[in-house]
Order: sequence, then structure tokens, then C-alpha cells
Amino acid sequence: DAGVTQSPTHLIKTRGQQVTLRCSPKSGHDTVSWYQQALGQGPQFIFQYYEEEERQRGNFPDRFSGHQFPNYSSELNVNALLLGDSALYLCASSLGEGSYEQYFGPGTRLTVT
Amino acid sequence: AQSVTQPDIHITVSEGASLELRCNYSYGATPYLFWYVQSPGQGLQLLLKYFSGDTLVQGIKGFEAEFKRSQSSFNLRKPSVHWSDAAEYFCAVGDGSNNAGNMLTFGGGTRLMVKP
Repeated sequence: DAGVTQSPTHLIKTRGQQVTLRCSPKSGHDTVSWYQQALGQGPQFIFQYYEEEERQRGNFPDRFSGHQFPNYSSELNVNALLLGDSALYLCASSLGEGSYEQYFGPGTRLTVT
Repeated sequence: AQSVTQPDIHITVSEGASLELRCNYSYGATPYLFWYVQSPGQGLQLLLKYFSGDTLVQGIKGFEAEFKRSQSSFNLRKPSVHWSDAAEYFCAVGDGSNNAGNMLTFGGGTRLMVKP
């Protein structure tokens, strides 16, 4: 039973560019949440997707957007990258939008230069 | 708004010694409380959680935590630390009154180092 997977593992982008990160939830899970973890800090909630809709959103600008596909996988898109977007991006999946039984993936390390 | 404070950024303990990591939260309603561990380059692994009931909860790897509502605390303990416990530990809080979301608010983390 595969857990939460994320791709790519690492990537490097230049300021102003756009990036797409991908997440496949744990088998049987239908809800995906995204978190940003800056170096030396705790994760911060970006948003949650359930039934292909954004259900909750944290304090992040509109440059951060997402999508959930019918197979429950999800993408996180960040436009107009800033140096401050450099971070580890974590995906978490659960069964049901209100479930706190969340499983985290290993993350994608984004470096913006 | 809910918040979580982990007062200790770094803690060093000797192998075999006991451990207590502090966590204080600020939340007006029913908090759901969690402890996660993160090893270098890894995602987050859930150690234990508190939703309701017995205020002393047992988790994996020999960890336990005690919920003290009067002190707004949820401290993590382990009676005897192993070298493999060296990692970053995060306390988190969720909204127990909201059935339509599972957003977690995390503390800043405590880095645990274990001396041989």
C-alpha cells in the first residue's frame, strides 16, 4: 500500500517563474492538504482540496493555487516566484475533509534563485 | 486565531535520559492536539494525538503526552531516549469544533540532539 507520494523531490527555479508540484494521496484517501515549511520553521497550511474544490485556505496570496483531479491527486501551482517561496512543500492526505488522520508525504524541496 | 508555541528551539539529552518537550497552545474552543516527528529530509510522522477523554495519551516509539487544559499545554515525554530519537519535533493543533476542515497549526519545532 503506497503512502503519500510527491514529485519532484527537488527543483530549482528562478524568480518570476512558475512551478507545479504534484501529490498522489495514500490509497483510499480523497482529501489533500498542502503545507509550506520554510527552513527552520514549522509547516504552514496553504489549502485543502476535497471533491475537486478548495475547501480551506490559509494566509497565502493568490499566486498559490491548486487543483484536484478525479483520481484525488493534486497539484500546487505557484506563479511569479519570489525568493521567499523557497521551502519544503508538504502534501498530506486523509479520508474525508474533516478527518485529522492525515498522512504526510516526504515533500518537495523548492529553491528559488 | 489558534497558535502553538514550542519554547525550546534546541534540546540536548544524553542517551538513556528522560525527555520532556514543551508545547503551549492558544485556542478558544475544543483543540485537537498532535505531536509529529521529522527526520532530516523526511516528511512528518504522527507520534500521537489527543481528541478527548483520558488526558494522558500513549503514542508510538515509547512517547506519551499529557493534555493540561488549565495550563494550555500538551507536553511530550519519553522515559529513556535512544540515539535514533534525534530529530525535529512539532506540536500542532486542529479545530475540534469544525467538521469541514482539517487544517493544522504547527509550532516552530524543537530540535532534539542525543549525546552518546
